[in-house]
Amino acid sequence: AQSVTQLGSHVSVSEGALVLLRCNYSSSVPPYLFWYVQYPNQGLQLLLKYTSAATLVKGINGFEAEFKKSETSFHLTKPSAHMSDAAEYFCAVRGYSTLTFGKGTMLLVSP
Amino acid sequence: SAVISQKPSRDICQRGTSLTIQCQVDSQVTMMFWYRQQPGQSLTLIATANQGSEATYESGFVIDKFPISRPNLTFSTLTMSNLSPEDSSIYLCSVRTSPGSSNEQFFGPGTRLTVL
Repeated sequence: AQSVTQLGSHVSVSEGALVLLRCNYSSSVPPYLFWYVQYPNQGLQLLLKYTSAATLVKGINGFEAEFKKSETSFHLTKPSAHMSDAAEYFCAVRGYSTLTFGKGTMLLVSP
Repeated sequence: SAVISQKPSRDICQRGTSLTIQCQVDSQVTMMFWYRQQPGQSLTLIATANQGSEATYESGFVIDKFPISRPNLTFSTLTMSNLSPEDSSIYLCSVRTSPGSSNEQFFGPGTRLTVL
């Protein structure tokens, strides 16, 4: 069995501030972990993925995430938020075959 | 990568009717999936569409309500029958280009369904 918990349904930051979106997972096998972004009225776009090659993963648009096995976490960060980062972010885990999503975190960026 | 298109992009249906959503991929893919995203909720896997055989449904979803076809490696349909307002949701087609668990899934733009 596998599951994902995203802390905070909404996160608000000012433009230029640090972005931190939290994700904790549960998996009975070594997991593969993904972060997706969904802009309004669009499908999901992959930001980055962890596949056991390196614990710190860099993705598109300046985002990165660190896999911490001891904490079962895969938090998403970006040093400096931009207005265009405003969107909904989903963390997902895959154990054997199916992809399980968290409930999503809406990132709000204010000028 | 894979480019996925869905038809229709949105629809409004009456209670008790049916709707079929089409998913077309620009390349042959090994795995196709259908997800539901209810308002303010996460994505829930409905089923895996298997080419040439019956789809594999997740708990809580049944073939009579959500019949799925996948006649080839680039196309699938999801039909939703006997619609009720509770079926109002966004339905997303997703594909994986190769079966390995580390491989990413690509998502279509979604079909926004409103049932009155």
